Amino acid sequence: GESVGLHLPTLSVQEGDNSIINCAYSNSASDYFIWYKQESGKGPQFIIDIRSNMDKRQGQRVTVLLNKTVKHLSLQIAATQPGDSAVYFCAENTGSGYALNFGKGTSLLVTP
Amino acid sequence: DTEVTQTPKHLVMGMTNKKSLKCEQHMGHRAMYWYKQKAKKPPELMFVYSYEKLSINESVPSRFSPECPNSSLLNLHLHALQPEDSALYLCASSRLGGADNEQFFGPGTRLTVL
Repeated sequence: GESVGLHLPTLSVQEGDNSIINCAYSNSASDYFIWYKQESGKGPQFIIDIRSNMDKRQGQRVTVLLNKTVKHLSLQIAATQPGDSAVYFCAENTGSGYALNFGKGTSLLVTP
Repeated sequence: DTEVTQTPKHLVMGMTNKKSLKCEQHMGHRAMYWYKQKAKKPPELMFVYSYEKLSINESVPSRFSPECPNSSLLNLHLHALQPEDSALYLCASSRLGGADNEQFFGPGTRLTVL
């Protein structure tokens, strides 16, 4: 969802459950997408990426799904752990250069 | 070496001070970036350097002055900043070319302008 003011969308999950974080993009020319994880006080950390010629990519405990028809990207985290608590950003490379456009972010809170 | 380093970690400065932020990478990347991040917001692109030349300036005020002395170093010179410039300043780097544009971020410099 969209963030309003200083409030990030927040997803709260129990440890061990699966998490799904969503992101919508608007530019049909976007050809490369990245998910970043940002813990408090740290810089964004690369999680997984996907190119526009793919609709699914899997990593260790993470899966990214890309639906170009509705311009939607999701990040699935399996067996969520307390260390997964962070803010997650999707980012897109629109192909017009080297700049990335970041989404507004989702705060993931994992409770024991 | 697969990391981007930034110094200092924290910086407090007055509005009349001149200071510099430093960024370094040894991954052979030829594109380097400065981002500004306010609390609970995504990073906002400020500058992009490719092959040590400034290629993107996102209408950043002139009180921020970037410099790329060589392919491994990126500086951000600060002068006459305003309190609203207080933020986390992130440096990133990436390989050049194509859609494969994974950007590696440093830990950032937390800047406070009094």
